[in-house]
Amino acid sequence: DVQMTQSPSSLSASVGDRVTITCRASQGISNNLAWYQQIPGKIPKLLIYAASTVQSGVPSRFSGSGSGTDFALTISSLQPEDVATYYCQKYDSAPLTFGGGTRVEIK
Amino acid sequence: EMQLVESGGGLVQPGGSLKLSCAASGFTFSDSAIHWVRQASGKGLEWVSRIRSRGNNYATAYAASVKGRFTISRDDSRNTAYLQMNNLKTEDTAVYYCARFFESMDVWGKGTTVTVSS
Repeated sequence: DVQMTQSPSSLSASVGDRVTITCRASQGISNNLAWYQQIPGKIPKLLIYAASTVQSGVPSRFSGSGSGTDFALTISSLQPEDVATYYCQKYDSAPLTFGGGTRVEIK
Repeated sequence: EMQLVESGGGLVQPGGSLKLSCAASGFTFSDSAIHWVRQASGKGLEWVSRIRSRGNNYATAYAASVKGRFTISRDDSRNTAYLQMNNLKTEDTAVYYCARFFESMDVWGKGTTVTVSS
């Protein structure tokens, strides 16, 4: 099965900083990758699908990139409401594995 | 408004069974694939299972950790998906979410808690 490795596992940044989270697949998955945000105590929320398509209603500071095995989620200007854990997920075929998550905090 | 509501969670002893339900509204359930995802307390998301639509032959798939013990099904007439969980283990303790898959998991329920303990 394809493994999904996220890095870093946690990060602390200042409001307004540019933040990048990476996700690496152990085999190529084309662009079949999604990013989810889970605010503490809340359910997961879809941010990005097809590696770079922003879900309707998601702020424009969120963007995704990559294809094949290497992907990234970027927050262009970190806001306090972005404190959350972020997960990547492959969905080219089952199992639809999630990455281990990246916890984002405000410095 | 598109909505998914899970039910059926609870406390069960190791080796026991539970059947979770996922009731949908606000979208065409019969055209949608439905997935189950779980999250143990303080841990990450773990994909569990999926069932595709009638047009995709109701194809099912399972995580290795639950294969042979869990069975996913659906009743399109009731707009409801199910997860039958047998031979439960303590490591199955988690919040179980159902989610609609449309290009990715775009609609999630609030989850139902399953606790496996003696």
